[in-house]
Amino acid sequence: EVQLLESGGGLVQPGGSLRLSCAASEFTFSSYVMNWVRQAPGKGLEWVSGISDNGRSTYYAESVKGRFSISRDNSKNTLFLQMSSLRAEDTAIYYCAKEDGIAAPRFQYWGQGTLVTVAS
Amino acid sequence: EIVLTQSPGTLSLSPGERATLSCRASQRVTSDYIAWYQQKPGQAPRLLIYGASSRATGIPDRFSGSGSGTDFTLTITRLEPEDFAVYYCQQYVGSPRFTFGPGTKVDIK
Repeated sequence: EVQLLESGGGLVQPGGSLRLSCAASEFTFSSYVMNWVRQAPGKGLEWVSGISDNGRSTYYAESVKGRFSISRDNSKNTLFLQMSSLRAEDTAIYYCAKEDGIAAPRFQYWGQGTLVTVAS
Repeated sequence: EIVLTQSPGTLSLSPGERATLSCRASQRVTSDYIAWYQQKPGQAPRLLIYGASSRATGIPDRFSGSGSGTDFTLTITRLEPEDFAVYYCQQYVGSPRFTFGPGTKVDIK
């Protein structure tokens, strides 16, 4: 069974930085596009960032462009999200998600999420 | 940017009833690029439907998706107690890669 396990969340002050990790197992990690999706408390889902299977192409939502950086280590089956210049509105549960289906892209597998709280 | 709108915001129904959830795109969307998710409190989203009408692995056949162009529908033919949740539609747009609708909450009447 595919497993995705996020870590690295916590409380950080506005303007601070945080690095999230997502450890993947039970699938060939290096063959799949991976994504981060977040959900602010009581709100809906927001796609944040994605990265190609080989890590050469990265994609960002406008709301995080220039502040967040996605990367991956295929040798360690791990996805990362480096977050800087954090704002209160970045407070959310951050999920990593495995992207399936080139013809019909979708997120079949999700992690359990890690909570990031930006507050002073 | 293509915006997804979901209606109604909340749907109050009884177990056994039929639920019809709407997802409308601000511009025409390729059907292959529409997916639906279910989310229960405290849980990660669960993929229900992809390609507008294909059920994901393990999803009961009471869930079905349809639509094309700008209008897409998720139908739950007979609501089971475990189906009361929030439902999101999603589209793949290339850049930014994905967007989600605001969600429809299906609650118990």
